[in-house]
Amino acid sequence: GAVVSQHPSRVICKSGTSVKIECRSLDFQATTMFWYRQFPKQSLMLMATSNEGSKATYEQGVEKDKFLINHASLTLSTLTVTSAHPEDSSFYICSARMSEQWAKNIQYFGAGTRLSVL
Amino acid sequence: AQKITQTQPGMFVQEKEAVTLDCTYDTSDQSYGLFWYKQPSSGEMIFLIYQGSYDEQNATEGRYSLNFQKARKSANLVISASQLGDSAMYFCAMRERNAGNNRKLIWGLGTSLAVNP
Repeated sequence: GAVVSQHPSRVICKSGTSVKIECRSLDFQATTMFWYRQFPKQSLMLMATSNEGSKATYEQGVEKDKFLINHASLTLSTLTVTSAHPEDSSFYICSARMSEQWAKNIQYFGAGTRLSVL
Repeated sequence: AQKITQTQPGMFVQEKEAVTLDCTYDTSDQSYGLFWYKQPSSGEMIFLIYQGSYDEQNATEGRYSLNFQKARKSANLVISASQLGDSAMYFCAMRERNAGNNRKLIWGLGTSLAVNP
């Protein structure tokens, strides 16, 4: 149980294009999902918290117009990197929290997306 | 402020031996949660174990156990009978003080574990 699927696993794109990353909870409902960015050999950096049916909450310093988050259902959240530039190249990983486990806040993670912007 | 400290950047262990990964935390809350995650080189983050501050017993999940010492504010992960597949980064995390849906996790910097055959 508690499987989170993230797609694509790797994407290479040209500078200026937009990239959409999907995060799905396959066997549970997730009211809340989280989007992280991870630089090489570093810990996770939370970008935003996504709640189903409402606007995402972005962390300080994260451009909400650059990183568009949509959480349209209890099993799907998407992150769109708009007008991507080489500095956006990174490892992006999502997590989902079971609705009934909000108190513990155990997060289950996808496999991550490695974005390379040329 | 809440904080997680992992002081071991890298650890080595011989296959089949036990290893302890250190984690200390700082919080003024009475109610909190502590987590350990494993990140292999493939990148996925795998949830290993959870310990609530009011849990009387140390958490265990298969070969993983959490040595919870509340007075010392430590939550060390013990891996018994190490396997080659245990080679990975291990992150300790704590549930942030916050009510509501947006409660976050505070992460340590991680410990890289290498299991030698």
